[in-house]
Amino acid sequence: LAKITQPISMDSYEGQEVNITCSHNNIATNDYITWYQQFPSQGPRFIIQGYKTKVTNEVASLFIPADRKSSTLSLPRVSLSDTAVYYCLVARNTNAGKSTFGDGTTLTVKP
Amino acid sequence: IAGITQAPTSQILAAGRRMTLRCTQDMRHNAMYWYRQDLGLGLRLIHYSNTAGTTGKGEVPDGYSVSRANTDDFPLTLASAVPSQTSVYFCASRRDRDSPLHFGNGTRLTVT
Repeated sequence: LAKITQPISMDSYEGQEVNITCSHNNIATNDYITWYQQFPSQGPRFIIQGYKTKVTNEVASLFIPADRKSSTLSLPRVSLSDTAVYYCLVARNTNAGKSTFGDGTTLTVKP
Repeated sequence: IAGITQAPTSQILAAGRRMTLRCTQDMRHNAMYWYRQDLGLGLRLIHYSNTAGTTGKGEVPDGYSVSRANTDDFPLTLASAVPSQTSVYFCASRRDRDSPLHFGNGTRLTVT
């Protein structure tokens, strides 16, 4: 399984773009990358998922370089409500049990 | 609203007691999972089930058992609780291997 490394914490201000990078050096060919957001006393919530290159949805973008050894979650124009813990997950799509979560990045958005 | 229901929300349990954490999903997802979340350790997979009738061990399965008698329910049992099992437990499901995980809101368990 991939070893996941994320920054422990990040600070930002309202309206700024935030980029959180996840390192997964030994990612396997069949692994894909997913990011989740978690608020206190709630379960993690899906943000975005990708396998390679760039993926964009209504709330975020995910950048994955060609070697796939890292990925970057980009949150455009954050607001106070984006203060949360963000988790990177690397999972294998051939076996449901093979997955590794990073330890999470606590993002604090200040006014 | 479709989703995952976990019960109880929280529980204080004496060491040595047996406890079953309940998880029910109404999305007809094939795969279900149990994770524990501890401060500084993120989420760790305990057990999983790819389809009804099958289960598998995750990263930290010792002291826990699961069953998957039908698609909707995936209970987690602690046969004899120990203080190191104090944690927040999350149940999750997904439709297929390419779909993201959907999580419940967790059960906070304290073993004294």
